[in-house]
Amino acid sequence: EVQLLESGGGLVQPGGSLRLSCAASGFTFSSYAMSWVRQAPGKGLEWVSVISRSGDSTYYADSVKGRFTISRDSSKNTLYLQMNSLRAEDTALYYCAKDRSFVVGAALDYWGQGTLVTVSS
Amino acid sequence: QSALTQPASVSGSPGQSITISCTGTSTDVGNYNLVSWYQHHPGKAPKLIIYEGYRRPSGVSNRFSGSKSGNTASLTISGLQAEDEADYYCCSYAGSRPYVFGTGTKVTVL
Repeated sequence: EVQLLESGGGLVQPGGSLRLSCAASGFTFSSYAMSWVRQAPGKGLEWVSVISRSGDSTYYADSVKGRFTISRDSSKNTLYLQMNSLRAEDTALYYCAKDRSFVVGAALDYWGQGTLVTVSS
Repeated sequence: QSALTQPASVSGSPGQSITISCTGTSTDVGNYNLVSWYQHHPGKAPKLIIYEGYRRPSGVSNRFSGSKSGNTASLTISGLQAEDEADYYCCSYAGSRPYVFGTGTKVTVL
């Protein structure tokens, strides 16, 4: 059974940093691209970032480019999102999601339950 | 990066069919056969219900079907059931932007 368990969320001041983690199990982690998607309170889903299965290719939404960094550790079956220079508008529930293919952009077939990030002073 | 356009809400009675539209451009929906649809019940993880425009993952009811015409993709839910009440999002590949989500549609079962 595929499981994705996010952690690392919390309350952080504007300008601060946070690192999210996503522990994956139930599938061959190194064979699939992985994504982060967020949902701000009362808003819709917004794709944040995706990393290829090898980690060589990464893509970011314009809203986070230059501030967030996605990475993965296949030895630990874990996906990460380093978030720097956080803003109030980054407040959201952050989901980890598995791409259904090794090809980036195919679709997101499994999602975690999310971890909440609140940026406030 | 503009989101794909969906109606804010769609409603129907049990047993009826409803269709949710998802309008993009020639750089996303119109240019790739990589539209996916997600069902999201509040407080739960989103669920993939359609990928590659019309394909259903194993275990997804055949009451859900997808299609595309030009720059607009559509999700049809037939035989509407109470459990279908949820938020629905379309998503498309767009080249340098691997995922572009729609604005989301709240489905209400009357």
